[in-house]
Amino acid sequence: DAKTTQPNSMESNEEEPVHLPCNHSTISGTDYIHWYRQLPSQGPEYVIHGLTSNVNNRMASLAIAEDRKSSTLILHRATLRDAAVYYCILRVQYGSSNTGKLIFGQGTTLQVKP
Amino acid sequence: SQTIHQWPATLVQPVGSPLSLECTVEGTSNPNLYWYRQAAGRGLQLLFYSVGIGQISSEVPQNLSASRPQDRQFILSSKKLLLSDSGFYLCAWSLAGGSGYTFGSGTRLTVV
Repeated sequence: DAKTTQPNSMESNEEEPVHLPCNHSTISGTDYIHWYRQLPSQGPEYVIHGLTSNVNNRMASLAIAEDRKSSTLILHRATLRDAAVYYCILRVQYGSSNTGKLIFGQGTTLQVKP
Repeated sequence: SQTIHQWPATLVQPVGSPLSLECTVEGTSNPNLYWYRQAAGRGLQLLFYSVGIGQISSEVPQNLSASRPQDRQFILSSKKLLLSDSGFYLCAWSLAGGSGYTFGSGTRLTVV
């Protein structure tokens, strides 16, 4: 299964931007890049996803390298509520249909300091 | 709007007892459904996924089984629980085409 590599932990100061890196050198052409975050004792929360182009939404931005072998999740202004485990995941297509499955890695634990 | 319901929130079961966890999705049709498990201090492991009624794919050989008797209902079962079945069980749904996944609030299962 496609795998991603993320730093185990990162720290940020409140109200500063955060750049969370992810390497996925074995990505294939049909794999979407997904980001989720998880607070303790809660289910993962969808953050953003993309295929080739950079993506923006109300939560974050996703910058995808031109060769698609790495990506960066950007939180523009970190708040204390952004402290969580962030997972970078490749959505691997299965079968002949346009469906896929998420294979989670260990993620990056983000600490936000006031 | 779409919602996903998962119950119970917590469960304590003795070794050797059966298990049934239910997940239902509202507000969408023909979703892809998933069961994940997260052991203490570990990442999420995909257990089963389903693209339609009666269609179940297993990712990991184990003591568990899954069923999808209706379009928006996904059930995780076991005939005899093991201590190693303890963990945080999460149901999720998505649509085809690379869209984001929505996870339920999870069931924390402790096998004693």
